Amino acid sequence: DGGITQSPKYLFRKEGQNVTLSCEQNLNHDAMYWYRQDPGQGLRLIYYSQIVNDFQKGDIAEGYSVSREKKESFPLTVTSAQKNPTAFYLCASSIPGQGAGANVLTFGAGSRLTVL
Amino acid sequence: DAKTTQPNSMESNEEEPVHLPCNHSTISGTDYIHWYRQLPSQGPEYVIHGLTSNVNNRMASLAIAEDRKSSTLILHRATLRDAAVYYCILRYEKSNNNDMRFGAGTRLTVKP
Repeated sequence: DGGITQSPKYLFRKEGQNVTLSCEQNLNHDAMYWYRQDPGQGLRLIYYSQIVNDFQKGDIAEGYSVSREKKESFPLTVTSAQKNPTAFYLCASSIPGQGAGANVLTFGAGSRLTVL
Repeated sequence: DAKTTQPNSMESNEEEPVHLPCNHSTISGTDYIHWYRQLPSQGPEYVIHGLTSNVNNRMASLAIAEDRKSSTLILHRATLRDAAVYYCILRYEKSNNNDMRFGAGTRLTVKP
């Protein structure tokens, strides 16, 4: 079955360490996204990519970095510059375009990062 | 940007219908109304979307007001597995999704 796989599901990190969260999709979607969710809150956009080798900052990109070397993969690195990284991270993908059928987001199961 | 307003929480009894409201008074003519839901500790999942006409699928129905300033997600028979946070979002027709913003949504509790 097609879908999005995020790993690891749970991750613990010491302050000052960089960590990379994996996101892989086999849906053949061109667009991919990273969101952050804090307890009781909605989702906030970190980065998004519409095509391979191109990505743009979302609302809260500071302290994060991404790469898009392959269509299937969009890893997110949480750097030591991110002041409050403990959160639930969600990766999503979609077929970009216009009209009713496009742009429905498919999400992964999420990665929960805790900084000790 | 067009925004949506939803109640923070709602309760329902199992096997009864649930009507989840969403107000979007500043909606424009090319904004689609999308609904997603998020089960505990999972990623959101797409539920339904529409533009002007009411829509039905296997998960739910979407009733859109004639003036499009509000909509209602209808779960015809709530089950315990429908307990989730439901998000109502407006998406511009030509959006590339960099403007998809999920607010706090409505937390639905289903009582047995």
